[in-house]
Amino acid sequence: EPEVTQTPSHQVTQMGQEVILRCVPISNHLYFYWYRQILGQKVEFLVSFYNNEISEKSEIFDDQFSVERPDGSNFTLKIRSTKLEDSAMYFCASSRTDGQGDTQYFGPGTRLTVL
Amino acid sequence: AQSVAQPEDQVNVAEGNPLTVKCTYSVSGNPYLFWYVQYPNRGLQFLLKYITGDNLVKGSYGFEAEFNKSQTSFHLKKPSALVSDSALYFCAVRDSGTYKYIFGTGTRLKVLA
Repeated sequence: EPEVTQTPSHQVTQMGQEVILRCVPISNHLYFYWYRQILGQKVEFLVSFYNNEISEKSEIFDDQFSVERPDGSNFTLKIRSTKLEDSAMYFCASSRTDGQGDTQYFGPGTRLTVL
Repeated sequence: AQSVAQPEDQVNVAEGNPLTVKCTYSVSGNPYLFWYVQYPNRGLQFLLKYITGDNLVKGSYGFEAEFNKSQTSFHLKKPSALVSDSALYFCAVRDSGTYKYIFGTGTRLKVLA
């Protein structure tokens, strides 16, 4: 069964450094998402992406964040200058369509630790 | 605004007994409801969803969920719990007119041998 994959599984970085989190969505999916989960808290939406454009973003997704689909398979989340509060589990997801009832399939996550 | 609530932080059940994990929702318009499970150090795995139609939805690993419009609930159930069902369960609703899912706070299920 096709899966969303994410690398790395764990990233440790110093405050102020740039990080890039990578995702490979399911191959025939067209809509891509990033969510995050701060330890012990809810899973929160960050951004959705379609046709090489951001289709929606939350208030969390400020100028420090960017997303890109650099090639036909990868989908990346970049945090330009990490802060302590960016420490969280980051989940990538993808869906085939943007239909209200279409399922978003999630990857295993990248745990980001900012020191 | 759409929201879901999971009133129980943790549910304990003996192996072989039926289990229920509760979720209530608040939506404007038609509800699109989902259940996901998260095992330790793993991502969110899709279990099942309600879009329309039959109020009893069957999903993966023997789980099912009952959609109840009058009680605005979408409780997750399984007739006979396994120790391997122990995990964190999330209810989610698709926010109307947007791409995002809104997740509940999660319920930790512990199945005791």
